[in-house]
Amino acid sequence: DAGVIQSPRHEVTEMGQEVTLRCKPISGHDYLFWYRQTMMRGLELLIYFNNNVPIDDSGMPEDRFSAKMPNASFSTLKIQPSEPRDSAVYFCASNFVREPTDTQYFGPGTRLTVL
Amino acid sequence: GEDVEQSLFLSVREGDSSVINCTYTDSSSTYLYWYKQEPGAGLQLLTYIFSNMDMKQDQRLTVLLNKKDKHLSLRIADTQTGDSAIYFCAEFTGGGNKLTFGTGTQLKVEL
Repeated sequence: DAGVIQSPRHEVTEMGQEVTLRCKPISGHDYLFWYRQTMMRGLELLIYFNNNVPIDDSGMPEDRFSAKMPNASFSTLKIQPSEPRDSAVYFCASNFVREPTDTQYFGPGTRLTVL
Repeated sequence: GEDVEQSLFLSVREGDSSVINCTYTDSSSTYLYWYKQEPGAGLQLLTYIFSNMDMKQDQRLTVLLNKKDKHLSLRIADTQTGDSAIYFCAEFTGGGNKLTFGTGTQLKVEL
């Protein structure tokens, strides 16, 4: 398996623009997680899905952020409009909850810079 | 509430042992994990321990769990320059399938 795939790996945009981050989870996994990592706040869980349904979006910072999972193999995280304080590395992770260890498998991340 | 704490930095010499510590607050944690993040990469699972265990050894890695004190540690024997990374501990409590991650400890291995 190729692991969790994220695109793009790097994104540089200007304040006010819309940004869309993409994630393909590992085939067969039924949970998908979006995280944000910054120096100041560490690793934060933004939202997670189970069987394509959002379960907990309490970590989404504000209405500018939205996430969708139209099918089991694809999810997007959208920021509209983007702001400089959104600059961070965004990670997608997936897992199969019936694994004994319930471990999460992380993608390589998307480094977002908002100018 | 859930809170996982780690020291931010650790510096060791190559060949020495490294010990990275973590404290957590949720006594109902079922699994505790150690993840490694190399520069520019995502988090990668290193090892895990089930809450009914005190110790787990996996090659150069030893995990110790003190449930009474809610303390988790990761010992890396014979630390190498390739071990330089950020190490995160995380707890899984079973509620909602969420992991709570610590702040991460940056390990620097010097020659």
